[in-house]
Amino acid sequence: DQQVKQNSPSLSVQEGRISILNCDYTNSMFDYFLWYKKYPAEGPTFLISISSIKDKNEDGRFTVFLNKSAKHLSLHIVPSQPGDSAVYFCAAKGLGNTPLVFGKGTRLSVIA
Amino acid sequence: SAVISQKPSRDICQRGTSLTIQCQVDSQVTMMFWYRQQPGQSLTLIATANQGSEATYESGFVIDKFPISRPNLTFSTLTVSNMSPEDSSIYLCSVSYLETQYFGPGTRLLVL
Repeated sequence: DQQVKQNSPSLSVQEGRISILNCDYTNSMFDYFLWYKKYPAEGPTFLISISSIKDKNEDGRFTVFLNKSAKHLSLHIVPSQPGDSAVYFCAAKGLGNTPLVFGKGTRLSVIA
Repeated sequence: SAVISQKPSRDICQRGTSLTIQCQVDSQVTMMFWYRQQPGQSLTLIATANQGSEATYESGFVIDKFPISRPNLTFSTLTVSNMSPEDSSIYLCSVSYLETQYFGPGTRLLVL
């Protein structure tokens, strides 16, 4: 039973365009959501997060949107750059020092 | 952010042997976690390493197979015991620090 779902295993976007990565969750107790980027042979790198009390958080080219009623969040990257090509993981956690629950990841390819 | 190092970065091991992976953090942290990422899969939590108490294992993982030590607030080890080819994976150490989880670079294990 997957609590965090990333239904698109891969996504290709042209350089300069917007990349939109989607994530759905089922557990209504989740209150903090994070996005990670992972290159091959490296550990995941934290990108951006959002608390359940917000619906948007922005950091440079990266924006995360949260729709609590739909249990859906998305990561927007604009403009997309070739260096953004990586696997992106969505993760969620409940209150306190609880571990993250990860989605299966979406492989983003940004084409020059 | 917390800076995490892992040793070894990679290893090739024979079936039936054991490997101990070390994780060092540059800050004192309460919660340390061990994850596994099998080829093409998401990150799966093995256990939470608590300082001063026994590790808490997730369903499907047992202490005899994956013993964990947590002697202080900056260090932990994970041992993969009696290895089989199915244990070939990337093993990742992670820490919870200021509402965010950070990951080490991973240990890439191949069991022949």
